Amino acid sequence: GDSVTQMEGPVTLSEEAFLTINCTYTATGYPSLFWYVQYPGEGLQLLLKATKADDKGSNKGFEATYRKETTSFHLEKGSVQVSDSAVYFCALSEAYGGATNKLIFGTGTLLAVQP
Amino acid sequence: DSGVTQTPKHLITATGQRVTLRCSPRSGDLSVYWYQQSLDQGLQFLIQYYNGEERAKGNILERFSAQQFPDLHSELNLSSLELGDSALYFCASSVRGRALVDTQYFGPGTRLTVL
Repeated sequence: GDSVTQMEGPVTLSEEAFLTINCTYTATGYPSLFWYVQYPGEGLQLLLKATKADDKGSNKGFEATYRKETTSFHLEKGSVQVSDSAVYFCALSEAYGGATNKLIFGTGTLLAVQP
Repeated sequence: DSGVTQTPKHLITATGQRVTLRCSPRSGDLSVYWYQQSLDQGLQFLIQYYNGEERAKGNILERFSAQQFPDLHSELNLSSLELGDSALYFCASSVRGRALVDTQYFGPGTRLTVL
């Protein structure tokens, strides 16, 4: 079945460092891809999404590009801040026109940014 | 604030008991999803409803059941509780529920502790 694999954490960075969190997927067809963020003690918030190959999702300085050839959707940010400390989840939903858009999540990657 | 509300925020109960978790979707959203977040299983999709009808089922135990009412709020019923059911239970909602460009918005979660 469909699945998402993301890099193990925790990822510890200094403020203003470059961030990459790797995410690869296995799916039939062309799923939609998402990054969700979970701040301490809170629910999940959609960070960005991409619905077809070569789409780039971006929000709050974060970016991810839907790469069909490598089945990847890596999250990047050029300069992280302490306030970016959170758990980041990569997720996919079924291809366009499917009966459901339930989300399949990766295991989550904890990011800790130090001042 | 996503507009999705969940009650209660915390629930502590004993093994063998039954509990009900409640979710109110965002205004205008017809689809409701339930997810379970636990340390050993990660974030898993449980079940989806669309306009009162079950749309998709995931790894939901037979001891668990859900329904969506005419006013579109949903309840997740967990019975014969076991220690391993301790987890954070999230509800999400979206407008349609099919694999279109349809974003899921998550509630803050209900933390269930089974003693």
